[in-house]
Amino acid sequence: AQSVTQPDIHITVSEGASLELRCNYSYGATPYLFWYVQSPGQGLQLLLKYFSGDTLVQGIKGFEAEFKRSQSSFNLRKPSVHWSDAAEYFCAVGANSNYQLIWGAGTKLIIKP
Amino acid sequence: DAGVIQSPRHEVTEMGQEVTLRCKPISGHNSLFWYRQTMMRGLELLIYFNNNVPIDDSGMPEDRFSAKMPNASFSTLKIQPSEPRDSAVYFCASSLGGRGEQFFGPGTRLTVL
Repeated sequence: AQSVTQPDIHITVSEGASLELRCNYSYGATPYLFWYVQSPGQGLQLLLKYFSGDTLVQGIKGFEAEFKRSQSSFNLRKPSVHWSDAAEYFCAVGANSNYQLIWGAGTKLIIKP
Repeated sequence: DAGVIQSPRHEVTEMGQEVTLRCKPISGHNSLFWYRQTMMRGLELLIYFNNNVPIDDSGMPEDRFSAKMPNASFSTLKIQPSEPRDSAVYFCASSLGGRGEQFFGPGTRLTVL
């Protein structure tokens, strides 16, 4: 069965520091992969997606993610975080056989001034 | 496009009352999803529609919950009777085709007293 694991419930980083949020998935074929961000009181916004091709994908707000098939991972990175990046981040996996996404539990990012 | 529109944004009701949440998907999208988000359970898929037809309602908690999509531009999620444990944020999302990229509405925060 498909599953998504975000091992970190909370991560705290200093403003200006680099960031990496981890996402591991379980799926038999090459999945579609997504990162979404949810600011407090808001809906989920798509940051970036991977369908095929180049394994390093660029997203909005300066985020990028790298698909590593051998590690079943799709980690989200940002070289320098801003206080406005404080939010909850969700990784999701989709299959091309149906319309559903399987969601990770989310990682809450806290920014220290 | 205005994005996914949900109404109301906030709903406070008393136990036993009927609650109706509304969603207008992005024009042209053919899949619609209802999610529930709570601190305890995270993001849960309740039901999804494809071309206005319910495809999977296995996430609907119980018979008190029902959802309809009478046309491509409107869907409702109804809870009757409501209970305090239904308090959550309910999101509607829509997508186009089978690629799985979902666009979320701002959510309805439901409080059942």
